[in-house]
Amino acid sequence: KQEVTQIPAALSVPEGENLVLNCSFTDSAIYNLQWFRQDPGKGLTSLLLIQSSQREQTSGRLNASLDKSSGRSTLYIAASQPGDSATYLCAVNRGSTLGRLYFGRGTQLTVWP
Amino acid sequence: GAVVSQHPSWVICKSGTSVKIECRSLDFQATTMFWYRQFPKQSLMLMATSNEGSKATYEQGVEKDKFLINHASLTLSTLTVTSAHPEDSSFYICSARDPRTSGSPQETQYFGPGTRLLVL
Repeated sequence: KQEVTQIPAALSVPEGENLVLNCSFTDSAIYNLQWFRQDPGKGLTSLLLIQSSQREQTSGRLNASLDKSSGRSTLYIAASQPGDSATYLCAVNRGSTLGRLYFGRGTQLTVWP
Repeated sequence: GAVVSQHPSWVICKSGTSVKIECRSLDFQATTMFWYRQFPKQSLMLMATSNEGSKATYEQGVEKDKFLINHASLTLSTLTVTSAHPEDSSFYICSARDPRTSGSPQETQYFGPGTRLLVL
């Protein structure tokens, strides 16, 4: 069974800091890994998807890396802004027939001005 | 990205009544949709996988007679919470598997905005 863990559970930082959010998974046989953002009371927005053959993906101030052999991924947020405040969820796709995702519990990020 | 809608966005009902939540894929046909439940400050818990034209696959511990899922078309799946009780109050989110990437390393799902259910 795939288990996904995210550290830290919560993070509070001043505006402008560079951040690293961590995600680990127990089974390295994955199709891909996604990072999502969830604002309070809202659905999920996909930020980055890293295929199993890739090492990293970048979008604007976000950079996600994947080390499949060690079962780890990191989401790097550069020059954080108050608008980045949200919960960040990591999800692993094992490539099963049904395409199920396995989620971590998320990191609740607060960026204060 | 693709759009998935949910209706209603929030609902308040009396204990004992049934509530239906709709999940629609607006710009693609989804043979597979997923229903999740989320408690405050918790991650998403997969309840069931909905497959068009066949019975849903429920996760262990989820009562299929309590949470009825119907995937009658390629763009619509419904979740009906039957005889709702206060403990069913939660945030319910659906997602649709993107058939264009299904089975590939780019495979992804698109999520609806969620439905907040409050049972009094």
